[in-house]
Amino acid sequence: AQSVSQHNHHVILSEAASLELGCNYSYGGTVNLFWYVQYPGQHLQLLLKYFSGDPLVKGIKGFEAEFIKSKFSFNLRKPSVQWSDTAEYFCAVNLNQGGKLIFGQGTELSVKP
Amino acid sequence: KAGVTQTPRYLIKTRGQQVTLSCSPISGHRSVSWYQQTPGQGLQFLFEYFSETQRNKGNFPGRFSGRQFSNSRSEMNVSTLELGDSALYLCASSLARGSQETQYFGPGTRLLVL
Repeated sequence: AQSVSQHNHHVILSEAASLELGCNYSYGGTVNLFWYVQYPGQHLQLLLKYFSGDPLVKGIKGFEAEFIKSKFSFNLRKPSVQWSDTAEYFCAVNLNQGGKLIFGQGTELSVKP
Repeated sequence: KAGVTQTPRYLIKTRGQQVTLSCSPISGHRSVSWYQQTPGQGLQFLFEYFSETQRNKGNFPGRFSGRQFSNSRSEMNVSTLELGDSALYLCASSLARGSQETQYFGPGTRLLVL
């Protein structure tokens, strides 16, 4: 069955540290890729998405992600995190099945001031 | 523009009962999807509705059902509740049906089954 794996369950960083959250999916066909974020007490919201073209995509709040097809990966990065980035981050894949998203387990990010 | 709204926000039921959750999509959005979020299983897709028709269904038992109305509002129903149905149920809407559509999520309905 198709699945999405996020390698880190909980990441703790100090402010200004660099961030990379891993995401791998198991599907050999065309995929559409998303990163969502859930800040404490808030709704899930879209950070960025990739459909085609330049494999490096930029999202909101200084986040970016790189699609590496050969590695089935879509890792999220940010050069310098802030305390306000404390949240849970979800990678999701759409296998061209309408609106159905397959989510990873999520990574909780805690940023220490 | 108002976001996705879900009612009720919290619900407590007992085993064997049934429950109906409601979702109002963003104005103009025609596609609605439902997800179940639990600590153990994470976010799992329940079903997707577009133009009042179920277009996609996840791997959930038949006790989970839904529908969509002509104004795009959607409801999901869970019959014969089990303890394991305790979860946060999220609704998401998108402008159209498509794999590249951005889905906008609501705040969820937290269901506790005792």
